Amino acid sequence: EVQLVQSGPEVKKPGESLKISCQGSGPSFTSYWIAWVRQLPGKGLDYMGAIYPGDSSTRYNPSFQGQVTFSVDTSNDIAYMQWGGLKASDTATYFCARGRTIDFYYMDVWGKGTTVTVSS
Amino acid sequence: QSALTQPRSVSGSPGQSVTISCTGPNSEFGGNNYVSWYQQHPDKAPKLLIFGLTRRPSGVPDRFSGSKSGNAASLTISGLQPEDESDYYCCSYAGNTWVFGGGTKLTVL
Repeated sequence: EVQLVQSGPEVKKPGESLKISCQGSGPSFTSYWIAWVRQLPGKGLDYMGAIYPGDSSTRYNPSFQGQVTFSVDTSNDIAYMQWGGLKASDTATYFCARGRTIDFYYMDVWGKGTTVTVSS
Repeated sequence: QSALTQPRSVSGSPGQSVTISCTGPNSEFGGNNYVSWYQQHPDKAPKLLIFGLTRRPSGVPDRFSGSKSGNAASLTISGLQPEDESDYYCCSYAGNTWVFGGGTKLTVL
């Protein structure tokens, strides 16, 4: 069974940097997009963008372009999302999900989420 | 603000059917193969319910069904059960990007 295991909760101060992770278990990690989805407290799902581990191609939602950076370590089947300088408005839960894009387009496997709290 | 519009809330009694709509410009829906629906219980990760507009992944009860008419996709839940009380999100893929609807809270009375 394919799983995505995300890193634990984080508490940071404004201006600090952060890198969270999403580790895949199971075959073919490099054959699917890994999408990142933000959920602000009490709000809906926001698609941030995705990375294709096979060739490290990235696609960013324009709303998040320049705010976060996606990367991947294919030796260990880990996808990362990082911030260079956090803001209080980055307080949210961040999910990674496997994106399927052959014939049908959807996210079929989700991590449990990483909660990020940014507060002074 | 999402380009896909869902009602903020719907409700129904156990055993009844409810339908959640998801409307948007045709440009946001791409094609039928691009529409999916997700269920999210409080403090849990979203779960895939429907993909390709009408298809259910293994393990999803056939009480959940998807359809589309014009520029509106719909999720219908038949035979409501208490555990169906949750948030539901539509999603589409267009222009190399996914977009989610704003979400609908289903209350089982």
